[in-house]
Amino acid sequence: KQEVTQIPAALSVPEGENLVLNCSFTDSAIYNLQWFRQDPGKGLTSLLLIQSSQREQTSGRLNASLDKSSGRSTLYIAASQPGDSATYLCAVMEYGNKLVFGAGTILRVKS
Amino acid sequence: EPEVTQTPSHQVTQMGQEVILRCVPISNHLYFYWYRQILGQKVEFLVSFYNNEISEKSEIFDDQFSVERPDGSNFTLKIRSTKLEDSAMYFCASKGLAGIQETQYFGPGTRLLVL
Repeated sequence: KQEVTQIPAALSVPEGENLVLNCSFTDSAIYNLQWFRQDPGKGLTSLLLIQSSQREQTSGRLNASLDKSSGRSTLYIAASQPGDSATYLCAVMEYGNKLVFGAGTILRVKS
Repeated sequence: EPEVTQTPSHQVTQMGQEVILRCVPISNHLYFYWYRQILGQKVEFLVSFYNNEISEKSEIFDDQFSVERPDGSNFTLKIRSTKLEDSAMYFCASKGLAGIQETQYFGPGTRLLVL
Protein backbone atom coordinates (compact mmCIF):
# COMPACT_ATOMS: atom_id res chain seq x y z
CA LYS A 1 0.00 0.00 0.00
CA GLN A 2 1.39 3.39 -1.00
CA GLU A 3 2.46 5.66 1.86
CA VAL A 4 3.43 9.30 1.37
CA THR A 5 5.49 11.09 4.02
CA GLN A 6 6.31 14.79 4.18
CA ILE A 7 9.16 16.33 6.13
CA PRO A 8 9.22 18.64 7.98
CA ALA A 9 5.72 18.68 9.44
CA ALA A 10 6.06 22.41 10.09
CA LEU A 11 8.52 25.11 9.11
CA SER A 12 8.88 28.73 10.12
CA VAL A 13 11.24 30.97 8.15
CA PRO A 14 11.93 34.69 7.79
CA GLU A 15 10.77 36.43 4.65
CA GLY A 16 13.18 36.18 1.73
CA GLU A 17 14.62 32.81 2.65
CA ASN A 18 14.83 29.97 0.13
CA LEU A 19 13.37 26.72 1.42
CA VAL A 20 12.91 23.07 0.55
CA LEU A 21 9.98 20.83 1.39
CA ASN A 22 10.45 17.09 1.16
CA CYS A 23 8.13 14.30 0.10
CA SER A 24 8.81 10.57 -0.02
CA PHE A 25 6.69 7.69 -1.24
CA THR A 26 7.06 3.95 -0.71
CA ASP A 27 5.99 2.55 -4.10
CA SER A 28 7.80 3.99 -7.13
CA ALA A 29 5.13 2.72 -9.56
CA ILE A 30 3.48 6.12 -9.83
CA TYR A 31 1.96 7.89 -12.78
CA ASN A 32 2.70 11.42 -11.63
CA LEU A 33 3.19 13.59 -8.54
CA GLN A 34 1.36 16.79 -7.69
CA TRP A 35 2.14 19.51 -5.19
CA PHE A 36 -0.81 21.41 -3.74
CA ARG A 37 -1.26 24.40 -1.50
CA GLN A 38 -4.03 24.45 1.13
CA ASP A 39 -4.98 27.58 3.02
CA PRO A 40 -6.75 27.13 6.38
CA GLY A 41 -10.32 25.87 5.91
CA LYS A 42 -10.02 26.08 2.14
CA GLY A 43 -9.68 23.79 -0.84
CA LEU A 44 -6.56 22.52 -2.56
CA THR A 45 -4.81 24.61 -5.19
CA SER A 46 -2.62 22.69 -7.62
CA LEU A 47 0.88 24.16 -7.83
CA LEU A 48 2.88 21.78 -9.98
CA LEU A 49 2.47 18.38 -11.60
CA ILE A 50 5.45 16.22 -12.55
CA GLN A 51 4.91 13.26 -14.84
CA SER A 52 6.76 10.09 -13.83
CA SER A 53 9.07 10.47 -16.87
CA GLN A 54 10.09 14.01 -15.87
CA ARG A 55 12.76 15.14 -13.42
CA GLU A 56 11.50 18.62 -12.58
CA GLN A 57 8.92 21.33 -13.18
CA THR A 58 9.10 25.04 -12.56
CA SER A 59 6.45 27.68 -12.05
CA GLY A 60 7.58 31.14 -11.03
CA ARG A 61 9.40 30.91 -7.69
CA LEU A 62 8.51 27.22 -7.33
CA ASN A 63 10.58 24.31 -8.54
CA ALA A 64 9.64 20.69 -7.96
CA SER A 65 11.92 17.74 -8.59
CA LEU A 66 11.16 14.05 -8.80
CA ASP A 67 13.45 11.07 -8.29
CA LYS A 68 11.07 8.23 -8.95
CA SER A 69 13.56 5.43 -8.38
CA SER A 70 14.35 6.61 -4.87
CA GLY A 71 10.78 7.62 -4.12
CA ARG A 72 11.51 11.28 -3.42
CA SER A 73 10.30 14.70 -4.49
CA THR A 74 11.25 18.16 -3.30
CA LEU A 75 9.49 21.48 -3.61
CA TYR A 76 11.86 24.44 -3.66
CA ILE A 77 10.42 27.88 -2.91
CA ALA A 78 12.69 30.80 -3.74
CA ALA A 79 12.61 34.14 -1.95
CA SER A 80 9.73 33.22 0.34
CA GLN A 81 7.00 35.77 1.10
CA PRO A 82 4.41 35.99 3.89
CA GLY A 83 1.74 35.15 1.28
CA ASP A 84 3.39 31.75 0.84
CA SER A 85 2.24 30.77 4.34
CA ALA A 86 -0.02 27.73 3.93
CA THR A 87 0.04 23.95 4.14
CA TYR A 88 1.82 22.28 1.24
CA LEU A 89 0.62 18.83 0.26
CA CYS A 90 2.35 16.27 -1.88
CA ALA A 91 0.25 13.62 -3.65
CA VAL A 92 1.18 10.73 -5.93
CA MET A 93 -1.12 9.39 -8.59
CA GLU A 94 -1.05 5.66 -8.87
CA TYR A 95 -2.05 3.82 -12.02
CA GLY A 96 -5.82 3.81 -11.66
CA ASN A 97 -6.29 7.52 -11.15
CA LYS A 98 -6.48 8.11 -7.41
CA LEU A 99 -4.22 10.50 -5.55
CA VAL A 100 -2.51 9.39 -2.34
CA PHE A 101 -1.68 12.34 -0.14
CA GLY A 102 0.94 13.12 2.46
CA ALA A 103 0.04 14.84 5.70
CA GLY A 104 1.52 18.14 4.54
CA THR A 105 4.07 20.68 5.67
CA ILE A 106 2.71 23.75 7.45
CA LEU A 107 4.77 26.72 6.30
CA ARG A 108 4.88 30.06 8.04
CA VAL A 109 6.85 32.90 6.49
CA LYS A 110 7.46 35.72 8.94
CA SER A 111 7.66 39.33 7.77
CA GLU B 1 -10.43 30.60 -15.35
CA PRO B 2 -12.67 27.53 -15.06
CA GLU B 3 -13.05 26.09 -11.59
CA VAL B 4 -14.76 23.32 -9.69
CA THR B 5 -17.61 24.53 -7.50
CA GLN B 6 -19.28 22.79 -4.57
CA THR B 7 -22.47 23.36 -2.62
CA PRO B 8 -23.22 23.77 0.17
CA SER B 9 -20.05 25.15 1.73
CA HIS B 10 -21.19 23.94 5.15
CA GLN B 11 -23.77 21.37 6.20
CA VAL B 12 -24.87 20.32 9.66
CA THR B 13 -26.99 17.20 9.96
CA GLN B 14 -28.24 14.76 12.55
CA MET B 15 -26.84 11.24 12.75
CA GLY B 16 -28.85 8.87 10.58
CA GLN B 17 -29.97 11.55 8.13
CA GLU B 18 -29.23 11.48 4.42
CA VAL B 19 -27.06 14.19 2.89
CA ILE B 20 -26.29 15.05 -0.71
CA LEU B 21 -23.18 17.00 -1.53
CA ARG B 22 -23.11 18.69 -4.91
CA CYS B 23 -20.29 19.51 -7.27
CA VAL B 24 -20.04 21.16 -10.67
CA PRO B 25 -16.81 19.97 -12.31
CA ILE B 26 -14.94 21.91 -14.97
CA SER B 27 -17.08 21.69 -18.08
CA ASN B 28 -14.87 19.74 -20.50
CA HIS B 29 -13.51 17.32 -17.90
CA LEU B 30 -14.24 13.62 -18.03
CA TYR B 31 -12.92 12.21 -14.75
CA PHE B 32 -14.54 13.04 -11.44
CA TYR B 33 -13.51 12.32 -7.87
CA TRP B 34 -14.54 12.67 -4.26
CA TYR B 35 -11.98 12.93 -1.46
CA ARG B 36 -12.44 13.71 2.19
CA GLN B 37 -10.30 15.18 4.94
CA ILE B 38 -11.15 14.52 8.56
CA LEU B 39 -9.93 17.38 10.74
CA GLY B 40 -6.21 17.09 11.34
CA GLN B 41 -5.81 14.06 9.06
CA LYS B 42 -4.65 13.40 5.50
CA VAL B 43 -6.81 13.91 2.45
CA GLU B 44 -8.25 10.48 1.56
CA PHE B 45 -9.54 9.18 -1.74
CA LEU B 46 -13.17 8.01 -1.76
CA VAL B 47 -14.21 7.32 -5.34
CA SER B 48 -13.46 8.03 -8.98
CA PHE B 49 -16.06 8.20 -11.75
CA TYR B 50 -15.64 8.01 -15.50
CA ASN B 51 -17.97 7.32 -18.40
CA ASN B 52 -20.98 7.29 -16.08
CA GLU B 53 -19.69 4.61 -13.78
CA ILE B 54 -17.45 4.17 -10.76
CA SER B 55 -13.92 3.34 -11.90
CA GLU B 56 -12.38 2.89 -8.45
CA LYS B 57 -13.49 3.19 -4.83
CA SER B 58 -11.75 3.00 -1.48
CA GLU B 59 -12.59 0.86 1.54
CA ILE B 60 -14.26 3.94 3.06
CA PHE B 61 -16.78 4.07 0.20
CA ASP B 62 -19.20 1.45 1.52
CA ASP B 63 -22.88 0.86 0.78
CA GLN B 64 -23.82 4.05 2.63
CA PHE B 65 -22.16 6.12 -0.09
CA SER B 66 -23.24 6.61 -3.69
CA VAL B 67 -22.32 8.95 -6.53
CA GLU B 68 -24.30 10.15 -9.47
CA ARG B 69 -23.97 12.42 -12.46
CA PRO B 70 -27.66 13.21 -12.93
CA ASP B 71 -27.17 15.62 -15.81
CA GLY B 72 -24.36 16.98 -17.92
CA SER B 73 -23.00 19.28 -15.24
CA ASN B 74 -23.56 18.07 -11.68
CA PHE B 75 -21.73 15.33 -9.79
CA THR B 76 -23.18 14.34 -6.44
CA LEU B 77 -22.12 12.36 -3.39
CA LYS B 78 -24.89 10.90 -1.28
CA ILE B 79 -24.44 9.55 2.22
CA ARG B 80 -27.55 7.53 3.06
CA SER B 81 -27.41 7.38 6.84
CA THR B 82 -24.75 9.65 8.27
CA LYS B 83 -22.55 8.65 11.20
CA LEU B 84 -20.57 10.85 13.55
CA GLU B 85 -17.35 9.70 11.88
CA ASP B 86 -18.55 11.04 8.52
CA SER B 87 -17.84 14.55 9.82
CA ALA B 88 -15.14 15.87 7.50
CA MET B 89 -14.37 18.25 4.66
CA TYR B 90 -15.46 16.66 1.38
CA PHE B 91 -13.65 17.71 -1.78
CA CYS B 92 -14.76 17.16 -5.34
CA ALA B 93 -12.12 17.09 -8.09
CA SER B 94 -12.09 16.73 -11.84
CA LYS B 95 -9.57 16.27 -14.61
CA GLY B 96 -9.55 16.20 -18.37
CA LEU B 97 -7.86 13.81 -20.72
CA ALA B 98 -4.38 12.32 -20.43
CA GLY B 99 -1.13 14.20 -20.91
CA ILE B 100 -0.91 17.81 -19.80
CA GLN B 101 -4.46 17.65 -18.54
CA GLU B 102 -3.59 15.12 -15.84
CA THR B 103 -3.85 17.74 -13.14
CA GLN B 104 -6.74 17.14 -10.78
CA TYR B 105 -8.53 20.38 -9.96
CA PHE B 106 -10.20 20.56 -6.59
CA GLY B 107 -13.25 22.44 -5.43
CA PRO B 108 -13.35 24.52 -2.23
CA GLY B 109 -14.97 21.70 -0.26
CA THR B 110 -18.11 21.09 1.79
CA ARG B 111 -17.62 20.95 5.52
CA LEU B 112 -20.00 18.31 6.88
CA LEU B 113 -20.74 18.13 10.58
CA VAL B 114 -22.78 15.19 11.86
CA LEU B 115 -24.27 15.65 15.33
